[in-house]
Amino acid sequence: QKEVEQNSGPLSVPEGAIASLNCTYSDRGSQSFFWYRQYSGKSPELIMFIYSNGDKEDGRFTAQLNKASQYVSLLIRDSQPSDSATYLCAVIFYNNNDMRFGAGTRLTVKP
Amino acid sequence: EAGVTQFPSHSVIEKGQTVTLRCDPISGHDNLYWYRRVMGKEIKFLLHFVKESKQDESGMPNNRFLAERTGGTYSTLKVQPAELEDSGVYFCASSLDKEQFFGPGTRLTVL
Repeated sequence: QKEVEQNSGPLSVPEGAIASLNCTYSDRGSQSFFWYRQYSGKSPELIMFIYSNGDKEDGRFTAQLNKASQYVSLLIRDSQPSDSATYLCAVIFYNNNDMRFGAGTRLTVKP
Repeated sequence: EAGVTQFPSHSVIEKGQTVTLRCDPISGHDNLYWYRRVMGKEIKFLLHFVKESKQDESGMPNNRFLAERTGGTYSTLKVQPAELEDSGVYFCASSLDKEQFFGPGTRLTVL
């Protein structure tokens, strides 16, 4: 079983719709959860982090964490073509800073 | 404020040669990480420095890889001798705490 799992996609949504990206992780002791966005040929860019159960909102982005279900998601409201990228879920296990990544979900927002 | 920088951006070498990658973290960040993404795979953790000390090097694939961070500032990752399977993008990241900021990566091609 992979440590961090994501649907590879591609996920396609129309402009203005809500994009929902999902991630599950294997270790119940995981402490910290991150969403990175990566444009083709570029480096990962941190867009959200969440440490506690529940929802965290930042502009058009909402991260949702459910530790009991070992599940973290990212919602993108009012999706724009510029949101088209690969979204990487990353988890810090235990209480150190060593991060494990999922394979990423490719999102396409169609005008 | 300058972000994480990496040099070179691209490197093409032949099997058996040596390559040294450099990473300059964000000023003041004690934590420095190396990651690698090979074609079609997820980003994989290689190692983590706290200042000049190796906190965790469990992700280093074998003894052909040597990372250093003398003086706790910039870091180098040397691959000697390089093999075909070492091709990929090598990312460096730095952090004050848990939120890691990535450099642009070095694309390594071993022929």
